[in-house]
Amino acid sequence: NAGVTQTPKFRVLKTGQSMTLLCAQDMNHEYMYWYRQDPGMGLRLIHYSVGEGTTAKGEVPDGYNVSRLKKQNFLLGLESAAPSQTSVYFCASSKPPGTSGSRAQETQYFGPGTRLLVL
Amino acid sequence: TQLLEQSPQFLSIQEGENLTVYCNSSSVFSSLQWYRQEPGEGPVLLVTVVTGGEVKKLKRLTFQFGDARKDSSLHITAAQPGDTGLYLCAPDFSGNTPLVFGKGTRLSVIA
Repeated sequence: NAGVTQTPKFRVLKTGQSMTLLCAQDMNHEYMYWYRQDPGMGLRLIHYSVGEGTTAKGEVPDGYNVSRLKKQNFLLGLESAAPSQTSVYFCASSKPPGTSGSRAQETQYFGPGTRLLVL
Repeated sequence: TQLLEQSPQFLSIQEGENLTVYCNSSSVFSSLQWYRQEPGEGPVLLVTVVTGGEVKKLKRLTFQFGDARKDSSLHITAAQPGDTGLYLCAPDFSGNTPLVFGKGTRLSVIA
């Protein structure tokens, strides 16, 4: 079991370039998430998905798009990168809330992160 | 809008000392998770608390969920260098929307 993997690990972009970050999970989880982490800001949710073919906006969705064509993959796209998008990006996956029998949210399993620098 | 605050923001202590970090909100949450993130890695779940007043222990870590369900604390006894990391709380305000993560407490335990 690889868990949650992210590709690439590190990338440098010039302003205006585009790129796609790939997240893959092998735990058959319905829910997947993309976060960004900046110094002193904690984890902020960009977009999430509650199942194949669905996506929803999080706290900071502007400048990003996502797709969930397959259950195991969640792609994060930057169409025109800006220096403000320099960050560490984390993907996570989880079972739907309540799966384990309690009313609590389920465990989120995180990938190792992608460090993105936009010049 | 729910306000969420973690304190302290930074903490540097000597090995063997005890410490407590806090997670406070202006709103009630139905449950709360604590995660630890080590440098260069993604966060890993430590515990989920569900019931007001609940206390959970994980080796030297003690987690408490406030009676009013607006706060939680994490107490570490006899801290070790391996406890170094970013401690994040993530309350569930509604059960139907994604978790909100706090900004974290960055702990450094010096040998």
